[in-house]
Amino acid sequence: AQTVTQSQPEMSVQEAETVTLSCTYDTSESNYYLFWYKQPPSRQMILVIRQEAYKQQNATENRFSVNFQKAAKSFSLKISDSQLGDTAMYFCAFMGDNFGNEKLTFGTGTRLTIIP
Amino acid sequence: DAGVTQSPTHLIKTRGQHVTLRCSPISGHKSVSWYQQVLGQGPQFIFQYYEKEERGRGNFPDRFSARQFPNYSSELNVNALLLGDSALYLCASSPSTSYNEQFFGPGTRLTVL
Repeated sequence: AQTVTQSQPEMSVQEAETVTLSCTYDTSESNYYLFWYKQPPSRQMILVIRQEAYKQQNATENRFSVNFQKAAKSFSLKISDSQLGDTAMYFCAFMGDNFGNEKLTFGTGTRLTIIP
Repeated sequence: DAGVTQSPTHLIKTRGQHVTLRCSPISGHKSVSWYQQVLGQGPQFIFQYYEKEERGRGNFPDRFSARQFPNYSSELNVNALLLGDSALYLCASSPSTSYNEQFFGPGTRLTVL
């Protein structure tokens, strides 16, 4: 079974600064997908960024980028030029790539607060 | 385009009762998954349905059941409610099971008293 670990329950950063959220995972699968989801106080879960394990290049979406270290099973999220709207719970999630395993396994989340 | 919709938004039940939660996927999406999110935790996978067939089941008791209808909407049923069933229940849809991104609805907040 896959596990996802987020070791930072809470983080805060000043507006416009850069922050990195950590995530590690454990799996025996060779191909899989990793995600960062954002859940604002309004609670709707929104996909922030996605990484396919077979791609060595780190994914980037505007101010959001990941540092994917497959051998270390590490998948951190970097938010540059943080904005007040980035305040939310952030969940790291894993999805396998084999039949019958297309479910998301989530970590426990990191509560990120952007300070004005 | 409308996103994933869920009803009701909030629900209060007492122990032992039964509850039905509903989900309408994004138009064209054939896969629906259900997750339970206890306060302060990450979501936990309950069920996945695709083309009206169950494709996966998480580690939940038989009190939890679900089904998918011909229009791809879905219901989650929970019998004999326990206090520990209090949670946010999230529905997510995707075009197919091989499409890795899941789109989440706003959730149903269930409180069991």
